[in-house]
Amino acid sequence: EVQLVQSGAEVKKPGESLKISCKGSGYSFTSYWIGWVRQMPGKGLEWMGIIYPGDSDTRYSPSFQGQVTISADKSISTAYLQWSSLKASDTAMYYCARHYGAGYYMDVWGKGTTVTVSS
Amino acid sequence: EIVMTQSPATLSVSPGERATLSCRASQSVSSNLAWYQQKPGQAPRLLIYGASTRATGIPARFSGSGSGTEFTLTISSLQSEDFAVYYCQQYNNWPPQTFGQGTKVEIK
Repeated sequence: EVQLVQSGAEVKKPGESLKISCKGSGYSFTSYWIGWVRQMPGKGLEWMGIIYPGDSDTRYSPSFQGQVTISADKSISTAYLQWSSLKASDTAMYYCARHYGAGYYMDVWGKGTTVTVSS
Repeated sequence: EIVMTQSPATLSVSPGERATLSCRASQSVSSNLAWYQQKPGQAPRLLIYGASTRATGIPARFSGSGSGTEFTLTISSLQSEDFAVYYCQQYNNWPPQTFGQGTKVEIK
């Protein structure tokens, strides 16, 4: 079974750093792009960026460029999303998803990681 | 950046009735458009890709149409499990890929 398993919920303070993960299984992890999507409370879906684990080619939405870092460790089939200094406005659900083909639609989704940033 | 606009924001439909959701792109995305369904507390689920191809396991009551800038998702006979929020997404020009703001299908 193809699946993406995301790390658990996080509660952090403003200014702290954070790295959340997304582990793929049941398919060739290095052959598909992995994307990250933000959903703020009660809001819609926002595409943040994408990484190709095969060579770590990474692209960002201009809205998120410089705000987060996307990375991957292909040896353990895991993609990451990280922040160096969290803000309250980073409070959201974060989904990873597999992009079919050359970065096309998202056909497999993780269950999401809730990030809460509060003092 | 391509802006995706969905209408209506909320659609009130009775079970068994037909629902028609619209999605417009600010410039042509060819047929590189997907539809997703999201239920409360769940991750989105892929319904349609390539504007009109149903994803694996998606019932035939879901159909997609359109190309260029105008797209439609039709649910032919709404079932109780279909009440959810639906998003369109373009993957023609990226980064960034962009989503519409969503259409909530609620019980009338």
